[in-house]
Amino acid sequence: NAGVTQTPKFQVLKTGQSMTLQCAQDMNHEYMSWYRQDPGMGLRLIHYSVGAGITDQGEVPNGYNVSRSTTEDFPLRLLSAAPSQTSVYFCASSYFSGGFAGELFFGEGSRLTVL
Amino acid sequence: GENVEQHPSTLSVQEGDSAVIKCTYSDSASNYFPWYKQELGKRPQLIIDIRSNVGEKKDQRIAVTLNKTAKHFSLHITETQPEDSAVYFCAPIIQGAQKLVFGQGTRLTINP
Repeated sequence: NAGVTQTPKFQVLKTGQSMTLQCAQDMNHEYMSWYRQDPGMGLRLIHYSVGAGITDQGEVPNGYNVSRSTTEDFPLRLLSAAPSQTSVYFCASSYFSGGFAGELFFGEGSRLTVL
Repeated sequence: GENVEQHPSTLSVQEGDSAVIKCTYSDSASNYFPWYKQELGKRPQLIIDIRSNVGEKKDQRIAVTLNKTAKHFSLHITETQPEDSAVYFCAPIIQGAQKLVFGQGTRLTINP
């Protein structure tokens, strides 16, 4: 049981490049989400999903796209990277049945630097 | 949506002393109140939680208390140890909500 797995752990991009952060969970969680954490800051919600085929925006969605074609996977796409997107990105998942049932499980994080 | 505030933003205590972090929320429909701990360079992890029908919950040196009338809940750490140094986040959840919003975090430093 691997929990929540994120790849890559580290990535350096040039301004304007695109990339996808991968997230997979093996706990059969309905809910998946992406957060970004800037240095010394809190966790800000980018996008979330309550099930396959369903996604919605969080607090800071601009510049990011997501899709949820399967229960297990929730990739985050950066369309045209900007230095302001330099951050640590966390994927998280949870049981969800009409509402949160408990703990949010986080991946180890992906550190992204945009030059 | 839920407005969440944590106080203090930073807290420094002597090893062995107690620490208290408070989380204030705005929506009276909130019914689940977790605290997460994030050590330096690591992922956030749940350390304790409480539901709205309970006033207090303890787990060894940590406890959470809930005041639904005043709309706040607090994390209490007793006999603090160096490994308690971390950033702590609250994340009150509104029943049926789909967005989970975290407080801004409290950086706790334990001085030897």
